[in-house]
Amino acid sequence: TQLLEQSPQFLSIQEGENLTVYCNSSSVFSSLQWYRQEPGEGPVLLVTVVTGGEVKKLKRLTFQFGDARKDSSLHITAAQPGDTGLYLCAGDGPSGSQGNLIFGKGTKLSVKP
Amino acid sequence: DAGVIQSPRHEVTEMGQEVTLRCKPISGHDYLFWYRQTMMRGLELLIYFNNNVPIDDSGMPEDRFSAKMPNASFSTLKIQPSEPRDSAVYFCASSWTSGFIYEQFFGPGTRLTVL
Repeated sequence: TQLLEQSPQFLSIQEGENLTVYCNSSSVFSSLQWYRQEPGEGPVLLVTVVTGGEVKKLKRLTFQFGDARKDSSLHITAAQPGDTGLYLCAGDGPSGSQGNLIFGKGTKLSVKP
Repeated sequence: DAGVIQSPRHEVTEMGQEVTLRCKPISGHDYLFWYRQTMMRGLELLIYFNNNVPIDDSGMPEDRFSAKMPNASFSTLKIQPSEPRDSAVYFCASSWTSGFIYEQFFGPGTRLTVL
């Protein structure tokens, strides 16, 4: 069974701090996605990474896919209160389950002004 | 496009009642997913469809849950009879095949409370 473990589960920081959250698995994924979910809303896709070692930047957010395509990290520089939310990683599901994503349980981030 | 549309946004019902949740996926998407989210269990996949055909319903908790997709623009998730432990936020998501990348677009969710 493919599982995605996210850490930390909760993170509370002050505005301006940097942070990194992790998404780890023992399984290989063809692609991995990061979503952000704000209270009262559905998850929204931030980025998809598909190549081992790939790094993508989205303003202050940096996403990295591990060389072996089993893990990923999200680094936020100079966090702002608007970054508050639940960050979910998701990988493509077991072979034969095309279209199905496996989601981690998420990291709940709170950025205090 | 309007995005994935779900209704109702909030539903409060009493134990034993039938509940029907509705979803309109993004036009042109060929996959539709139903998820349930709780604090304890996170985001759980209940069932998903490809081209209106159910592909995997192994996440459906029990026979009280059923889902249909009569056409490409509409799906329902029904709970009958509902129980307090069904209280959760239910999300519908849709996606389309882009090579081997499957990016899902979520609706705003239906917050269900069963008293």
